[in-house]
Amino acid sequence: DTAVSQTPKYLVTQMGNDKSIKCEQNLGHDTMYWYKQDSKKFLKIMFSYNNKELIINETVPNRFSPKSPDKAHLNLHINSLELGDSAVYFCASNSGRDTEAFFGQGTRLTVV
Amino acid sequence: AQSVTQLGSHVSVSEGALVLLRCNYSSSVPPYLFWYVQYPNQGLQLLLKYTSAATLVKGINGFEAEFKKSETSFHLTKPSAHMSDAAEYFCAVSGTGNQFYFGTGTSLTVIP
Repeated sequence: DTAVSQTPKYLVTQMGNDKSIKCEQNLGHDTMYWYKQDSKKFLKIMFSYNNKELIINETVPNRFSPKSPDKAHLNLHINSLELGDSAVYFCASNSGRDTEAFFGQGTRLTVV
Repeated sequence: AQSVTQLGSHVSVSEGALVLLRCNYSSSVPPYLFWYVQYPNQGLQLLLKYTSAATLVKGINGFEAEFKKSETSFHLTKPSAHMSDAAEYFCAVSGTGNQFYFGTGTSLTVIP
């Protein structure tokens, strides 16, 4: 019954590899997000999708690409992983500017 | 544009003492403001939110926050700290386009 679920929870991979993180929400929300949390706990928004349309794309390398097969899913694909990509990635969703965002448990990505 | 600033990256209080975590916002539109808590190795959990109703907002776990437009502030307080309150706290503002912007976080330590 998890509202926002991410898989995997932990991901260890070598530099140069390509990896994906999956996210699903069962709340019926219209907007989904990806955030990156660095080692200093800073949360940076990477992408948001509203009704399958990308509405935010901050200064994120184009090695990162969000893919949304439907309103309930927003997956994150990362090409050519670099050491600096190591972080915790959070998926979130909400249904309007005045509503809270619900977060997944995070995916800890370690690039070695 | 919207942003929040959290003053004090680390706050230490004694058990039973007042907790005060500071947040100031900047917003070109009427702001919607949120406080989240993050326990170690977990996702973010909503504590409370301000969405233009009452300026004094009560949340979970005994926390509350007061919206002060004249001071552009939304400080988080709790009358008596418990050991279980030790965590990372984030203030966030919801802006145009439905995106959430987070402050840099405040790590709360509770001293027994």
